[in-house]
Amino acid sequence: DQQVKQNSPSLSVQEGRISILNCDYTNSMFDYFLWYKKYPAEGPTFLISISSIKDKNEDGRFTVFLNKSAKHLSLHIVPSQPGDSAVYFCAASGNTGNQFYFGTGTSLTVIP
Amino acid sequence: DTAVSQTPKYLVTQMGNDKSIKCEQNLGHDTMYWYKQDSKKFLKIMFSYNNKELIINETVPNRFSPKSPDKAHLNLHINSLELGDSAVYFCASSPGSGGAREQFFGPGTRLTVL
Repeated sequence: DQQVKQNSPSLSVQEGRISILNCDYTNSMFDYFLWYKKYPAEGPTFLISISSIKDKNEDGRFTVFLNKSAKHLSLHIVPSQPGDSAVYFCAASGNTGNQFYFGTGTSLTVIP
Repeated sequence: DTAVSQTPKYLVTQMGNDKSIKCEQNLGHDTMYWYKQDSKKFLKIMFSYNNKELIINETVPNRFSPKSPDKAHLNLHINSLELGDSAVYFCASSPGSGGAREQFFGPGTRLTVL
């Protein structure tokens, strides 16, 4: 049973606009959440993370929001750039820090 | 100076064969992982090693056997390959317990079983 879900397989956004990628989880024991970006024929690369003690973490154009009560997190990219076109995975882990659960990814296309 | 490397990148083989995928990390990390990404793009953990010791062994057929000769290497050996083993296999590493938990992934090995 998938504990981390990304219900939107794809998203298209105009260059310069905001991209919002969503992720839901079911396990209330998760305390750390991560977003990864993946280009074709490459491995995922770490983008940004957030601990469950926070509700927002920002790094440049990327911001992750965490809503623990809704078991929902989102990644905002603003402004979106064509180079952001990739598959984005969210992942979650519990307090052991060793077991990670990934969503199925959202393919983002930023249209120039 | 690749951080996490995997060989081979592509592997095409017949059903019933035995094959190995090698993984090496030069980041000095304590923990290494194997993931399988199936046709539905679902990235699922298979194994995790911490300082050469197995710490996670998900529900994976016994035909899959990881081996960690040292902290920097985690190889995956697959016996009696089946059609359903066709997938992309990713190796990853992370610093280990505590602190930031981001993982560093290798480029993946696309395994095709005919």
